[in-house]
Amino acid sequence: NAGVTQTPKFQVLKTGQSMTLQCAQDMNHNSMYWYRQDPGMGLRLIYYSASEGTTDKGEVPNGYNVSRLNKREFSLRLESAAPSQTSVYFCASSEVRANTGELFFGEGSRLTVL
Amino acid sequence: GENVEQHPSTLSVQEGDSAVIKCTYSDSASNYFPWYKQELGKRPQLIIDIRSNVGEKKDQRIAVTLNKTAKHFSLHITETQPEDSAVYFCAASSRSGSGGGADGLTFGKGTHLIIQP
Repeated sequence: NAGVTQTPKFQVLKTGQSMTLQCAQDMNHNSMYWYRQDPGMGLRLIYYSASEGTTDKGEVPNGYNVSRLNKREFSLRLESAAPSQTSVYFCASSEVRANTGELFFGEGSRLTVL
Repeated sequence: GENVEQHPSTLSVQEGDSAVIKCTYSDSASNYFPWYKQELGKRPQLIIDIRSNVGEKKDQRIAVTLNKTAKHFSLHITETQPEDSAVYFCAASSRSGSGGGADGLTFGKGTHLIIQP
């Protein structure tokens, strides 16, 4: 099993460009999440999906959109990238809700916006 | 919403000594407290968790204690080894929709643990 796979691992964008981060899990988990990690800020939730067909905002959703394509896949889109979105992005999944069970993280995607 | 404070931000200990990382939380309804370890350039991974119906949990050299009255919980690592060097994150559950972790989990800002040889 691959667990949680996210692509790309690295990306450089210019301000105003758009891109989509892809995430897939093969553990048949119901819940999926997108976090961003910035130095000294910990992990902050951008969006989550508690089940296929539902998505909800997290702590820092502005500038992002998500799609839960099916049970396996959860994508994060930046419509018009800004330098403040330079960060490491982690996708995660869990069998139950994050406040009751283990989160399984992908390897991360390092995004730089110039 | 839930607020999780984690201290210290950096901790340096001699190999073989113990390390303690402390977290406080604000929501008295929180009932799940996981700890994640993130090695340099790697993904965070769960190392231990505790629920509010117990006060302490151990797994080999790692233990977590919970004081619900004071609303704080701590990670204890004994006999530290070089492979313990990493960033450690605490987290606390919160009610969905209460802000912070909207799906009910709020992370601390992390502790960089350095094991000196």
